[in-house]
Amino acid sequence: QQQVKQSPQSLIVQKGGISIINCAYENTAFDYFPWYQQFPGKGPALLIAIRPDVSEKKEGRFTISFNKSAKQFSLHIMDSQPGDSATYFCAASQGEGNSGAGSYQLTFGKGTKLSVIP
Amino acid sequence: GAVVSQHPSRVICKSGTSVKIECRSLDFQATTMFWYRQFPKQSLMLMATSNEGSKATYEQGVEKDKFLINHASLTLSTLTVTSAHPEDSSFYICSARDRPGTGATGELFFGEGSRLTVL
Repeated sequence: QQQVKQSPQSLIVQKGGISIINCAYENTAFDYFPWYQQFPGKGPALLIAIRPDVSEKKEGRFTISFNKSAKQFSLHIMDSQPGDSATYFCAASQGEGNSGAGSYQLTFGKGTKLSVIP
Repeated sequence: GAVVSQHPSRVICKSGTSVKIECRSLDFQATTMFWYRQFPKQSLMLMATSNEGSKATYEQGVEKDKFLINHASLTLSTLTVTSAHPEDSSFYICSARDRPGTGATGELFFGEGSRLTVL
């Protein structure tokens, strides 16, 4: 049973365009939703994360939109650059409470391979 | 920021041998470390949760006698793939959570991964 569904599997965006990756979850107990960026042969790196008490979080060119009622969240990359070409994973975890920005046992989406062409 | 170091980054071994992968938290104490396995073009699959000073908790379907995990200190966890076979070839990634407290976020940090190839 896949608890976090991610789409699309791959995405090609023109330089300067907006990249949008979507995730949907089933477990309503999830309370922490991070996005990770992974380059080939490297471990994932935390990009941005959100909690369900806010509907949007922006950090530079990266924005998470969160829809609690629909159990969906998405990553928007504005002004996409070739250096953004990587695989992006959404994830979710539960049981964080108010302990801080910690991420405990993560459930990952299947990943989206983003290619930004010049 | 906090750094998690994995070693070796690449290892090639013969079938039947054992391989040890180390995961170190360099500038924080990690009471909990996680080990993941990633096949090409696929997502990360949690193998086990490693808690300092206690036995690891393995995910369903992961053989604990095959993948030995030791978390002997607050900065080091090791994964030993015993009697490795070609089907064990994969990218193994660890992550560590710094202990919530003064100056710590409780955030999860990933290592760079270890590519295991079993001939």
